[in-house]
Amino acid sequence: QSALTQPPSASGSPGQSVTISCTGTSSDVGRYDYVSWYRQYPGKAPNLIIYQVTERPSGVPDRFSGSKSGDTASLTVSGLQPDDEADYYCVSHTGTTNVFGPGTKVTVL
Amino acid sequence: VQLVQPGAEVKKPGESLKISCEGPADTFGTYWIAWVRQRPGKGLEWMGIIHPSDSDTRYSPSFQGQVTISVDKAISTAYLQLNTLKASDTAIYYCARSTFFGVIADHNWGQGTLVTVSS
Repeated sequence: QSALTQPPSASGSPGQSVTISCTGTSSDVGRYDYVSWYRQYPGKAPNLIIYQVTERPSGVPDRFSGSKSGDTASLTVSGLQPDDEADYYCVSHTGTTNVFGPGTKVTVL
Repeated sequence: VQLVQPGAEVKKPGESLKISCEGPADTFGTYWIAWVRQRPGKGLEWMGIIHPSDSDTRYSPSFQGQVTISVDKAISTAYLQLNTLKASDTAIYYCARSTFFGVIADHNWGQGTLVTVSS
């Protein structure tokens, strides 16, 4: 059972934006700037899209952005494209280990 | 980076399994190796991480005492030991090269081992 919470689903039309929240506690998300976001397509390994709350790995388009306020981190996907339809997971450091959120299924309408 | 795992294992309830994860020798000791579970149709679960240089191991609370993560630095291989398997252990188990803070860059995942526990 995840210690982080994410909405189970989110959706938007092509070109729109969608924001996914990842809520933890003052012991994980609120304490550490070590929140990452992963995208996973069915049957594939996850792909890193954001690390350290706001950083994008090279090759990840700037349509993806991350932020944090208090105990909640957020991932925003702007300019939705059909291949953004996937599952998105946050990960937070907890001091001794890391924990995934339960995942959010993003649907592009 | 290429981490090599067996593709699939089939076990009966009550049996044990040790999943291997072999990495490149030249960089194996420089990153943590994480293990991640994904049950069928479910989300990702962080199981724990180990540093090959000194076998420093950190388990997630849900997996502490339930699994054993180990490493053989001499052969650049990490292991995930699952004991007394149950049907609920049926899952894909990924190893990945990670930072201590949970950052796993692309191309640092093993292909995953599908473990099926069935009588």
